[in-house]
Amino acid sequence: QKEVEQDPGPLSVPEGAIVSLNCTYSNSAFQYFMWYRQYSRKGPELLMYTYSSGNKEDGRFTAQVDKSSKYISLFIRDSQPSDSATYLCAMETGGFKTIFGAGTRLFVKA
Amino acid sequence: DAGVIQSPRHEVTEMGQEVTLRCKPISGHDYLFWYRQTMMRGLELLIYFNNNVPIDDSGMPEDRFSAKMPNASFSTLKIQPSEPRDSAVYFCASRSGQGAGTQYFGPGTRLLVL
Repeated sequence: QKEVEQDPGPLSVPEGAIVSLNCTYSNSAFQYFMWYRQYSRKGPELLMYTYSSGNKEDGRFTAQVDKSSKYISLFIRDSQPSDSATYLCAMETGGFKTIFGAGTRLFVKA
Repeated sequence: DAGVIQSPRHEVTEMGQEVTLRCKPISGHDYLFWYRQTMMRGLELLIYFNNNVPIDDSGMPEDRFSAKMPNASFSTLKIQPSEPRDSAVYFCASRSGQGAGTQYFGPGTRLLVL
């Protein structure tokens, strides 16, 4: 079993839809939870970062962490074609070694 | 800052040849990471350095792979001899030791071994 599980998709939605992306994990020692966005032929870039449980909002993006269920989510409101990318969840215990999910490919159709 | 710089951006080589990938981290960052990304295995950590010292190389696939960081502004990942299964995108990333989470990735090197 992988430490971090993420459905690779692809996920295709119409413009304006609410998108929900999710990851589950097995290591209860994870404390830092991130979402990276990767455009085609580019390196990943940090989108959202959360410490421990709770919600964090940044514009159209909301990250949620439920440590009791070992489940994290990223919500995108009013999705735009420019949001089309691969979204990778990532986690750390605090020792600087980051474990990435497989990434979910998202397509937002105009 | 120019961000993390990697070279070459693309590399095509024949099986058995030596391949050297290069990385210049963001100035002031004391952690440097090498990753490999494939469709099958996703983004895998190969090795990371702190203050130029290798900390964890457990992700290096085998002895054909080696990485060095001779100074704070330069690192190399070498594959010798290369094999077709090494074909992937190799990313370098750097971060500051202050605070957690934010790694800055380079544009990657697309390696194709024929």
